[in-house]
Formats: sequence, C-alpha cells, structure tokens
Amino acid sequence: AQSVAQPEDQVNVAEGNPLTVKCTYSVSGNPYLFWYVQYPNRGLQFLLKYITGDNLVKGSYGFEAEFNKSQTSFHLKKPSALVSDSALYFCAVRDITGAGSYQLTFGKGTKLSVIP
Amino acid sequence: EAQVTQNPRYLITVTGKKLTVTCSQNMNHEYMSWYRQDPGLGLRQIYYSMNVEVTDKGDVPEGYKVSRKEKRNFPLILESPSPNQTSLYFCASSFNSGSYEQYFGPGTRLTVT
Repeated sequence: AQSVAQPEDQVNVAEGNPLTVKCTYSVSGNPYLFWYVQYPNRGLQFLLKYITGDNLVKGSYGFEAEFNKSQTSFHLKKPSALVSDSALYFCAVRDITGAGSYQLTFGKGTKLSVIP
Repeated sequence: EAQVTQNPRYLITVTGKKLTVTCSQNMNHEYMSWYRQDPGLGLRQIYYSMNVEVTDKGDVPEGYKVSRKEKRNFPLILESPSPNQTSLYFCASSFNSGSYEQYFGPGTRLTVT
C-alpha cells in the first residue's frame, strides 16, 4: 500500500526567510510525487511534480522540491517566503508500478503561515 | 476556460435522504476522482474512474456510489446519507491516471443532520 506522511501540522516562517515543508512517502514500486496548495475556501491547485529525471523540480510561484530516493522524501522549498504563500500544502504520491497505480494518495496537509 | 465544476457548492440535508453531487469537466480528461476532506485527515479518495464505464473504489468508498456514463461527468451519489458523511467533497480530473496533475473543482460542503 502507498502512503504519505507530512510530519508537521503547521510551519511558521518569517517573510523573506526560506521555507521547507516536509513530505515522506512509502510505495512498493516507483513513485510519482506531487505538491498541491489549497488557499482558504478554494479547491486544490497543482504546484509541481516529480516523474523522472532531475531530482530537483521547479514549479509555480517560485517553489521547488527535491526528490530523495534513499530517504523517500520529497520536501517542498522556497528561498524567500511571501505572506501570500500562507496556505495549506498537500503532498501526494502514486505508485506507478504497484497495485495502487490508479490511486493518488494524499498526506494530511501542512498549514504554512508566513509572518510579516 | 478549462475547469471542473461541482454542484451544489453547499448542501444541508437530513439522514437517509438520497442526494447527488454533480461533477463536470470540459478538458476531455479520461481520469476523474472524488475526494473528501476532513480536518486532521487530509484528502481521502472515495472513488475514481479511468474512463467511461470504468470505475473503482478508493480508500473510503463505503456509503457512496458513482457512475461514469459520459466522459465529462462523474456524479457522486449518497443513497442514504449519514452524519459521518458530513464533509468537504472535491471532484478532480486529469488527462490520465499516470503522470498528469489533477485539476480540482471548487468543493461541495455537505452537512448531514
């Protein structure tokens, strides 16, 4: 079975500082990994994904994430946080070689608060 | 404009009264899915569909039904709603079930009393 863990329910960071939102995953095969963001009273929006190739992927709004196979992690990062980045962030995984290859499993979400 | 629409956006109903939440996408996507979002539990997949007439259970299918008779529509049916189905529901679609990202609808907030 595939699973995702986001170990922090909330992350607080000062505006202008770098931010990291952590994600670890578990799959039996190879993963496709995704980050989504949810602003208040909105649906989820896609940020970035790792499919194959370069372990560092860049996405929308200046976000990037690094795929680390040995640590089974896919942490979301941004060099300089903005107040407008405050939102709920979800990591998701699909096991492309396992029985759950049609399913997308989400983590519980991490609330990011950027303090002015 | 490419989008996923859901209706209704808000619904308050009583236990046992059958209801349907509609979902429609205009992107000719093959893959569609329903999720529920609950505090502290994140998003959990209810059902998904790989294409017309092809559906399968997600992680929390109990108490729900779906159908996919047309490519653009994927309604979620609650035959006999119960209070534990009070939740925020999202429909999503993607080009296929592989590497493509999902597009989400705006959500339907359901309250069952």
